[in-house]
Amino acid sequence: AQSVTQLDSHVSVSEGTPVLLRCNYSSSYSPSLFWYVQHPNKGLQLLLKYTSAATLVKGINGFEAEFKKSETSFHLTKPSAHMSDAAEYFCVVSDRRGSTLGRLYFGRGTQLTVWP
Amino acid sequence: NAGVTQTPKFRVLKTGQSMTLLCAQDMNHEYMYWYRQDPGMGLRLIHYSVGEGTTAKGEVPDGYNVSRLKKQNFLLGLESAAPSQTSVYFCASSHRTGRRESDNQPQHFGDGTRLSIL
Repeated sequence: AQSVTQLDSHVSVSEGTPVLLRCNYSSSYSPSLFWYVQHPNKGLQLLLKYTSAATLVKGINGFEAEFKKSETSFHLTKPSAHMSDAAEYFCVVSDRRGSTLGRLYFGRGTQLTVWP
Repeated sequence: NAGVTQTPKFRVLKTGQSMTLLCAQDMNHEYMYWYRQDPGMGLRLIHYSVGEGTTAKGEVPDGYNVSRLKKQNFLLGLESAAPSQTSVYFCASSHRTGRRESDNQPQHFGDGTRLSIL
């Protein structure tokens, strides 16, 4: 069974400081993992995607995530936060087997606040 | 580029009323999905479709029905709305996903429909 745990429901950082959003997953198979971002009153936008080609995945807007199988983690980072990064972030694992190919399982989200 | 378009964007219903939410995508995606988003719950899958004329239940299908008569459209119906169905509903679509990890296609989301049931 697939599941995702986002370890922080809220993260606050100052503009220009690093961002770390933590995610642990559970999967019976080699997972596909994603990070999505949701700005207020908007749909979800794909930030980055891991599919085993490389453990360090670079995404849009300067975000990246590192897949660590031994820790079952897929933490999202950014070296320097910008005000426009304030949003809700979702860690997602995908089920690619059987009749449920492509189904996504979402974490509960981490609200990122960026202070000026 | 329209992508995934949901209509309506907002709606208020009374308990017991029915309504249909429409999702349209112009990316020729095979797969389409309906989710609901509730505070602190992330997104939960209601129903999905892997092709025209086929639908399947997700995690929380009760009280909803869907239809996929055309490849580009995916309709979500509430036959008798209940206050517990107050939520934000998102439609998504993706290309066909295969068994290889590299085949896993990201989903593209609409901007949501905010539905309140009084």
